[in-house]
Amino acid sequence: KAGVTQTPRYLIKTRGQQVTLSCSPISGHRSVSWYQQTPGQGLQFLFEYFSETQRNKGNFPGRFSGRQFSNSRSEMNVSTLELGDSALYLCASSLAGLESHEQYFGPGTRLTVT
Amino acid sequence: GQSLEQPSEVTAVEGAIVQINCTYQTSGFYGLSWYQQHDGGAPTFLSYNALDGLEETGRFSSFLSRSDSYGYLLLQELQMKDSASYFCAVRGGNTGGFKTIFGAGTRLFVKA
Repeated sequence: KAGVTQTPRYLIKTRGQQVTLSCSPISGHRSVSWYQQTPGQGLQFLFEYFSETQRNKGNFPGRFSGRQFSNSRSEMNVSTLELGDSALYLCASSLAGLESHEQYFGPGTRLTVT
Repeated sequence: GQSLEQPSEVTAVEGAIVQINCTYQTSGFYGLSWYQQHDGGAPTFLSYNALDGLEETGRFSSFLSRSDSYGYLLLQELQMKDSASYFCAVRGGNTGGFKTIFGAGTRLFVKA
């Protein structure tokens, strides 16, 4: 079974631009979560999607948004990029179910904002 | 809100046993998970506790006390390859929404 894939793996953008990151979950997984990881901050929860619906959202500004498609693939978008948005963005998928606890992570997208 | 606390760094020698503690605050608690992340890699799932007690998976064990909002990860017979960051994570929420919140991570250094 193929793992979680994320594209692109690396991205360099300029302040003020916007970016879209993509995540394809493991086949059969209907829940997709997004996290931002920066040194010393651990993984900060961005949002979780299930069956095309945002199930919960973390404490990030409205510049961060996402969506999920009917095939469970998900995208996240960051508009008006700031230097502080430079981070590793991780996507994780899990089986359906509100108590699904085992998440499978993709390799991440390393975003650098200059 | 939800929050977790775990030590930032732990150092141990090869062959030893190390315990990484995690205390948490959350509403609608479902369970406590542990993940391992090597430098440059993605987090990988290690274990999960929904009920009080000890869960053992090979050299790794995880413990949960729901009444104390506390858990730990125990690594036995440490190997150099165990040098990594370890994250505890809480699954919580209510009918309004669910999320998994991660701690800041514990960096484990295994010395020869």
